[in-house]
Amino acid sequence: ELKVEQNPLFLSMQEGKNYTIYCNYSTTSDRLYWYRQDPGKSLESLFVLLSNGAVKQEGRLMASLDTKARLSTLHITAAVHDLSATYFCAVDSRRGGSQGNLIFGKGTKLSVKP
Amino acid sequence: DVKVTQSSRYLVKRTGEKVFLECVQDMDHENMFWYRQDPGLGLRLIYFSYDVKMKEKGDIPEGYSVSREKKERFSLILESASTNQTSMYLCASSFLRGRNEKLFFGSGTQLSVL
Repeated sequence: ELKVEQNPLFLSMQEGKNYTIYCNYSTTSDRLYWYRQDPGKSLESLFVLLSNGAVKQEGRLMASLDTKARLSTLHITAAVHDLSATYFCAVDSRRGGSQGNLIFGKGTKLSVKP
Repeated sequence: DVKVTQSSRYLVKRTGEKVFLECVQDMDHENMFWYRQDPGLGLRLIYFSYDVKMKEKGDIPEGYSVSREKKERFSLILESASTNQTSMYLCASSFLRGRNEKLFFGSGTQLSVL
C-alpha cells in the first residue's frame, strides 16, 4: 500500500529565509505532484515531476525528485509572505492502470512572518 | 480557462438525509475523482471514474456511492448522511494516461451534517 509522508507538517518561517519541505513515499512511482492550497480555497497545481533527477523551478519554489530514495523536496528560497499556504505532495498510485489517481501527504502548513 | 465546477460551496444537512454533490468539468477529461479533506488527514480518495458508467472504489468508499452518466459530470451520493461525513469534499479531473499530467480541482463543497 502506497503511503506518502510529508515533513514538517507545520513550518513558521521568517521572510528572507530558506527552507525545505520533504516528501517520502513508500512504493515505486514514476510521477510526483506538488500542490498549493490557500485557506478556504481549492488546490492549485505547482509542479509535476516525472522522472528521477527531475528538477522544476517557479519563482522562489524549486521541486526535485529522487525516485531511488523515494524522496521529493520542495525548497523555498528567500521566503515572502505571499508563500504562506498549505503545500501538499501527492504520488500517483496507478490504481486502475490510469494516471491521476493520487495519494496525498497530510500537507505542510507554511506561515511566513515579517 | 479550464474549469471544474462543484454545484454548492456550502451545504448543511441533517442526519439520515440523502445528499447529492455534483461536479462538472469542461475539459473533456476521462478521469474524475472525489476526495474528502479533513484537518490533519490530508486528502483521501473516495471514488474515481475513468469512463462513463465506470466507477472504482478509492480508500474510503463506505457510506458513499457515485454516478457517472455523462463524461462531464460525476456525482457523489451520501445515501444516509451521518455526522462523521461532515467534511470538505473536492472533485477533480484529469486526462487518461499518456496526456496532460495535471489533476484539476474544483473549489470544494463544505458539508456539515447535523
